Amino acid sequence: NAGVTQTPKFQVLKTGQSMTLQCAQDMNHEYMSWYRQDPGMGLRLIHYSVGAGITDQGEVPNGYNVSRSTTEDFPLRLLSAAPSQTSVYFCASTRTESSYNEQFFGPGTRLTVL
Amino acid sequence: AQSVSQHNHHVILSEAASLELGCNYSYGGTVNLFWYVQYPGQHLQLLLKYFSGDPLVKGIKGFEAEFIKSKFSFNLRKPSVQWSDTAEYFCAVTGYSSASKIIFGSGTRLSIRP
Repeated sequence: NAGVTQTPKFQVLKTGQSMTLQCAQDMNHEYMSWYRQDPGMGLRLIHYSVGAGITDQGEVPNGYNVSRSTTEDFPLRLLSAAPSQTSVYFCASTRTESSYNEQFFGPGTRLTVL
Repeated sequence: AQSVSQHNHHVILSEAASLELGCNYSYGGTVNLFWYVQYPGQHLQLLLKYFSGDPLVKGIKGFEAEFIKSKFSFNLRKPSVQWSDTAEYFCAVTGYSSASKIIFGSGTRLSIRP
């Protein structure tokens, strides 16, 4: 199993540009989520999905969209990038929404918005 | 408000020293508690978790943590650290049943002098 994969690893955008961060998992996990990691602030939940076709907002959803058309994929879209979105983004998955399950994290995408 | 506090932002120790990283949380109701580790250049991995039962939980690589309900704490300990323990450590808390409400602390960077 590849686990949780993310692409790209690094990305530089200009303010106002749009892009999609890709996340895929091959463990047949129901629950997937996106976090951003900022210095001194830990990880903050952006959006999550409890299964294909179902998504919901986390702690910091503004400026981001998600969709979950398949169990495997959970892309994160930035419609109009802003410097405040400069961060490291982690995708995670777990078997079900139950917090008894360990979350598996991807390697991260480092995004810089100029 | 729900929160997790890790008061030590950066800890520097020599090899073989004992380690204790503090974690305090504010979260209503029954909680599940986690410690994750992020080695340099790698993604987050689960160190250990507490759901119920014995408040002293043991994780991988010789780490352990003690849940003290009266103090709302879940401190991470290791009797003798190694250079390979150099990493960032994150405490996290979630509600009894839902991973979607997970709250991470801001992290503690641990540097071990060889």
